[in-house]
Amino acid sequence: GENVEQHPSTLSVQEGDSAVIKCTYSDSASNYFPWYKQELGKRPQLIIDIRSNVGEKKDQRIAVTLNKTAKHFSLHITETQPEDSAVYFCAARGNTPLVFGKGTRLSVIA
Amino acid sequence: DTEVTQTPKHLVMGMTNKKSLKCEQHMGHRAMYWYKQKAKKPPELMFVYSYEKLSINESVPSRFSPECPNSSLLNLHLHALQPEDSALYLCASSQVLPGVNYGYTFGSGTRLTVV
Repeated sequence: GENVEQHPSTLSVQEGDSAVIKCTYSDSASNYFPWYKQELGKRPQLIIDIRSNVGEKKDQRIAVTLNKTAKHFSLHITETQPEDSAVYFCAARGNTPLVFGKGTRLSVIA
Repeated sequence: DTEVTQTPKHLVMGMTNKKSLKCEQHMGHRAMYWYKQKAKKPPELMFVYSYEKLSINESVPSRFSPECPNSSLLNLHLHALQPEDSALYLCASSQVLPGVNYGYTFGSGTRLTVV
């Protein structure tokens, strides 16, 4: 089955700096890669996703890149703000339900 | 309506109690999911329903019993739970189209405490 590895597990950045979170997946059949943001005590919320026929997608300050050959994808957040502090989960799916990475706790220091 | 609604938000139950968690969506999604999430961990898949039929059971103990009465509702019946079952239980839904994968919309969850 699919296995998703996510790094780093914790990340601290100064406000205004960029943050990058990386994930790798194992199943070459996976073709959909969402990113979820979960604030403390709240539900995971989809913030951006990418399909395997696209190499990069951007939405304002967040972007996701996908390298199918290497089986890795990354989340990039620019100009970080304190409200970006949360746990971020990457996930992958192909013929199976979503498989989540272990999460990255991002802290943005004002 | 673009939400998944879960009730109750909090539940405390004894190990001999029977309770049910409810989940509702009106987005026309034909796949619905139950996830369990422990603190500082990712969501862990329990059950998948596709077109109201159970398609995946991730070897969940029988003290958890799912039910999908119709395309908008998903229940999780709980009986004789253990303290280690205390967690956030998340319901999610997604569209189903052949050959296309979609992300999930999660409900706010039920925070369950077993005493």
